[in-house]
Amino acid sequence: EVQLVESGGGLVQPGGSLRLSCAASRFTFSSYWMHWVRQVPGKGLVWVSGIEGDGSRTRYADPVEGRFTISRDNAENTLYLQMNSLRAEDTAVYYCTREGFDFWGQGTLVTVSS
Amino acid sequence: DVVLTQSPLSLPVTLGQPASISCRSSQSLVHSNGNTYLNWFQQRPGQSPRRLFYEVSNRDSGVPDRFSGSGSGTDFTLKISRVEAEDVGVYYCMQGTHWPKTFGQGTKVEIK
Repeated sequence: EVQLVESGGGLVQPGGSLRLSCAASRFTFSSYWMHWVRQVPGKGLVWVSGIEGDGSRTRYADPVEGRFTISRDNAENTLYLQMNSLRAEDTAVYYCTREGFDFWGQGTLVTVSS
Repeated sequence: DVVLTQSPLSLPVTLGQPASISCRSSQSLVHSNGNTYLNWFQQRPGQSPRRLFYEVSNRDSGVPDRFSGSGSGTDFTLKISRVEAEDVGVYYCMQGTHWPKTFGQGTKVEIK
């Protein structure tokens, strides 16, 4: 079955940076859009960003536009989210999910706090 | 942005009884290609979301047939014909027709 495994979360100070990774397996990674969705603990799901299979198109939610960069390495079957200028309100569990939102990883917690 | 409004936000249900969740969109979810990209997800406590339905009414593999999805345009419904204990969790609708993708606020289903 499709597997998505996120990593890279942790504690970071406001204004800091973090790069999340999502290792994908058991499907043709380069054929699918991939997305990041976040969830503040105890709150709802919020779409963050998406990238087309070949990396040619990217989309962002307004709150992260200009601060976050989504990218992918199709040779390594890995999705990334570079997060800069982090704010307290970016604190959340970040999930990677495949096009159609049919498969999700287990999530990685990002905490932005001094 | 497309706003999805779910109701109710909390749904206490007796085991074996039916449950229904509404999801209303601020604009039509019919894509220019004719498809309607409205998904339903279940998130059990401590777990990642799990997709139940795609394109309104297409049930994902492994989803019990006591779950059903219906609707069109701007009004959609998720129904559980007979609630079981394993159905406890939060249910979200999500639209994939328009950018940015958006989710409803979530409906918490609990057993009375």
